[in-house]
Amino acid sequence: DIVMTQSPESLAVSLGERATISCKSSQSVLESSNNKKYLTWYQQKPGQPPKLLIYWTSTRESGVPDRFSGSGSGTDFTLTISSLQAEDVAVYYCQQYYSTPWTFGQGTKVEIK
Amino acid sequence: QVQLVQSGVEVKKPGSSVKVSCKASGGTFSDYTITWVRQAPGQGLEWMGRIIPILGVANYAPNFQGRVTITADTSTTTVYMKLSSLRSEDTAVYYCARDLAEIVDQYYYFYAMDVWGQGTTVIVSS
Repeated sequence: DIVMTQSPESLAVSLGERATISCKSSQSVLESSNNKKYLTWYQQKPGQPPKLLIYWTSTRESGVPDRFSGSGSGTDFTLTISSLQAEDVAVYYCQQYYSTPWTFGQGTKVEIK
Repeated sequence: QVQLVQSGVEVKKPGSSVKVSCKASGGTFSDYTITWVRQAPGQGLEWMGRIIPILGVANYAPNFQGRVTITADTSTTTVYMKLSSLRSEDTAVYYCARDLAEIVDQYYYFYAMDVWGQGTTVIVSS
């Protein structure tokens, strides 16, 4: 199984400041046949199901604010919230879609400082 | 607008089984694939398996192999997840979600889950 490791476990950021979450995969999630990196990010607020933010490492889902961005190489990925808003308080998960079983990171809790 | 509506809370005894439903509306059911993910209290997300309803083909995570069965009824656009031999560690919220996939030469390249059900709480307790 591909192990996904997120860091930090939690972070507190001031409103309007940048938040950066790291996600590392135990092996590459780059599909050579189409050159796409199968790394996805979700946001989950308390009592709600996860919400899709970003797929293929850096493609924002329709309707997701552009303050959310994703980047990364074959095994190292980053989710950046460029200017944290109050509504961004949530737990963020990365997930690999390269091979089954699809696996998630353990989550990063983002709070307001 | 695709919507997934799940069945309600279940309270089960250890050793028994639970069957959770996920009814899809909107969109074209034959175009869907559906995944099941669970979340234990205060914990992260765990992928259980998925089904391609139009093919009736399901794949399961090794952690659940032999205990989970995912089926689909295309006539009612409903997907079911049955988990057997329940133990206390199966207490969790169970979510269904629609997978997004590119289909190339009949091969599915899955890449995200874009629509989620509201979740079904399953409590396993003696």
